[in-house]
Amino acid sequence: DGGITQSPKYLFRKEGQNVTLSCEQNLNHDAMYWYRQDPGQGLRLIYYSQIVNDFQKGDIAEGYSVSREKKESFPLTVTSAQKNPTAFYLCASSRGQEYYEQYFGPGTRLTVT
Amino acid sequence: GQNIDQPTEMTATEGAIVQINCTYQTSGFNGLFWYQQHAGEAPTFLSYNVLDGLEEKGRFSSFLSRSKGYSYLLLKELQMKDSASYLCAVKGVGGTDKLIFGTGTRLQVFP
Repeated sequence: DGGITQSPKYLFRKEGQNVTLSCEQNLNHDAMYWYRQDPGQGLRLIYYSQIVNDFQKGDIAEGYSVSREKKESFPLTVTSAQKNPTAFYLCASSRGQEYYEQYFGPGTRLTVT
Repeated sequence: GQNIDQPTEMTATEGAIVQINCTYQTSGFNGLFWYQQHAGEAPTFLSYNVLDGLEEKGRFSSFLSRSKGYSYLLLKELQMKDSASYLCAVKGVGGTDKLIFGTGTRLQVFP
């Protein structure tokens, strides 16, 4: 079955540590996205990539980094510079064309203490 | 600026009909999406509107008026499993696939 996987489902880290969240898709989608979701807020775009080896900052990129070395993979690193990293992180992908929806992975809930 | 407004919470009774409104002000418009999200899970796609009018899909329908910057999601014959958040998202212009999300409407269905 085609889909998007994110791992792990729950992640705990100590403050000051960098952590990388995995996102893999086998839908052959060109575009991939990372969102952050906090209680009472909508999904906010962190980074997106429309093609391999290229990515763009979203609305809240500070304290995060990404890479897109393969079409299937778009890992997100939450660095120690991110002031409020505890959140629910969602990865999505799409065909990258106008009329197609984004498909979401199951999400990773990151807790930093 | 970019702004999408939805009611924060709504309640309804099983078997009833509920309408969730969404108004938007964005720099450009290239379609509006509705997603359903159960607590702690990923959003799942419900509908897409790019032209004015009503799109019907089983118990769910979505309406768009581009001149008014307005959309609604209509849920008929409500079931308990429809208790979830409903996210309105607008795709702008500019050659990217970016979506701008509203804060979501949390719907609770009571027996």
